[in-house]
Amino acid sequence: GAVVSQHPSWVICKSGTSVKIECRSLDFQATTMFWYRQFPKQSLMLMATSNEGSKATYEQGVEKDKFLINHASLTLSTLTVTSAHPEDSSFYICSADAGEEQYFGPGTRLTVT
Amino acid sequence: AQSVTQPDIHITVSEGASLELRCNYSYGATPYLFWYVQSPGQGLQLLLKYFSGDTLVQGIKGFEAEFKRSQSSFNLRKPSVHWSDAAEYFCAVGRGSYNTDKLIFGTGTRLQVFP
Repeated sequence: GAVVSQHPSWVICKSGTSVKIECRSLDFQATTMFWYRQFPKQSLMLMATSNEGSKATYEQGVEKDKFLINHASLTLSTLTVTSAHPEDSSFYICSADAGEEQYFGPGTRLTVT
Repeated sequence: AQSVTQPDIHITVSEGASLELRCNYSYGATPYLFWYVQSPGQGLQLLLKYFSGDTLVQGIKGFEAEFKRSQSSFNLRKPSVHWSDAAEYFCAVGRGSYNTDKLIFGTGTRLQVFP
């Protein structure tokens, strides 16, 4: 099946700094990618829809200036958490749309100290 | 608003026993329904999906699910659980303009399997 990778798999950063998370579709092209956030023992919450070559669409309540999304190519989308704070600590998961199925990356654990 | 409910947070079964994980959805139109499994260190894997047609859907790893419109349910079943099935299971509904667009996930059910 199709493979989606995320980098890094975990990251620790200091409060006030920015961190970038990459999501790559390794063996297929994805016009659309999705970014989710998962809190411990909770469900995945869709943050935004990333469309190649256009601006991302953010879900209600998600700060677009806080979570910058760039989908520069058909195989790469990035999520940048700007001026991170401890409350941004979470598990971030991306997925890539391959038609009748979304393929999910393994996730990135972000800890902000 | 669309929503997905998984009433069971945690289920424990013995290896070899049958399994049923419950999922109820709220959606105005014909839903696109999915079951995913999440194992530590791995991305969510699709077990099965329902778009239309036969309401009993067969998936990978011996799982099946039945869509019941009258009950707004899409329960996941397996006749004999293996220890490797221990994981987190998520039911999801697609709410966007096409079948895999904008998935809404339930809160998940953690499955524990005893030998």
